[in-house]
Amino acid sequence: GNSVTQMEGPVTLSEEAFLTINCTYTATGYPSLFWYVQYPGEGLQLLLKATKADDKGSNKGFEATYRKETTSFHLEKGSVQVSDSAVYFCALSAISSNDYKLSFGAGTTVTVRA
Amino acid sequence: NAGVMQNPRHLVRRRGQEARLRCSPMKGHSHVYWYRQLPEEGLKFMVYLQKENIIDESGMPKERFSAEFPKEGPSILRIQQVVRGDSAAYFCASSPPLSSGNTIYFGEGSWLTVV
Repeated sequence: GNSVTQMEGPVTLSEEAFLTINCTYTATGYPSLFWYVQYPGEGLQLLLKATKADDKGSNKGFEATYRKETTSFHLEKGSVQVSDSAVYFCALSAISSNDYKLSFGAGTTVTVRA
Repeated sequence: NAGVMQNPRHLVRRRGQEARLRCSPMKGHSHVYWYRQLPEEGLKFMVYLQKENIIDESGMPKERFSAEFPKEGPSILRIQQVVRGDSAAYFCASSPPLSSGNTIYFGEGSWLTVV
């Protein structure tokens, strides 16, 4: 079956620090990979996605590269801000079977301190 | 183009009462999905509906939970005789007919608290 494993939190950083959240996956076929973000008291928002190997998704200074050889999709940001404090979820959707069931990781809580 | 609309945003119910959560998909979207997020966990798929049809309810608890998406009006997730373990965030998502890329769009969620 499809599954996602992401780095456990919580993660606490200072402003302008470098952020990495590891995400690895198990899937049949060629999944699409996503990062969703959930700010305090809000719903999930799509942060970025990649649909095939070696694709790089990017948005709001965040980047993640689809690595098929290591089955990974690590999220990175070079200089975080207090406003980046949120819960980040890695997810996959299996294109080959038109799978509408997104498989989510457990989420990583990130707190950025001024 | 309005996003996925869910209401109520917050709902408090006593044990044994019924909870009804509503979801209006994005304009042009005919597919609706419900997910549940229990405390300290990631989202789990519950059910997938198209208009007047339940396509996949493999993630729905066997008892007390039901979902519908009528021809007119929003999708409804109904929980009968709620228990404390039902306290969670319930997220609705929608999409057009599925295609490569499979991006689905989530609403802001409905937080159910059972007291």
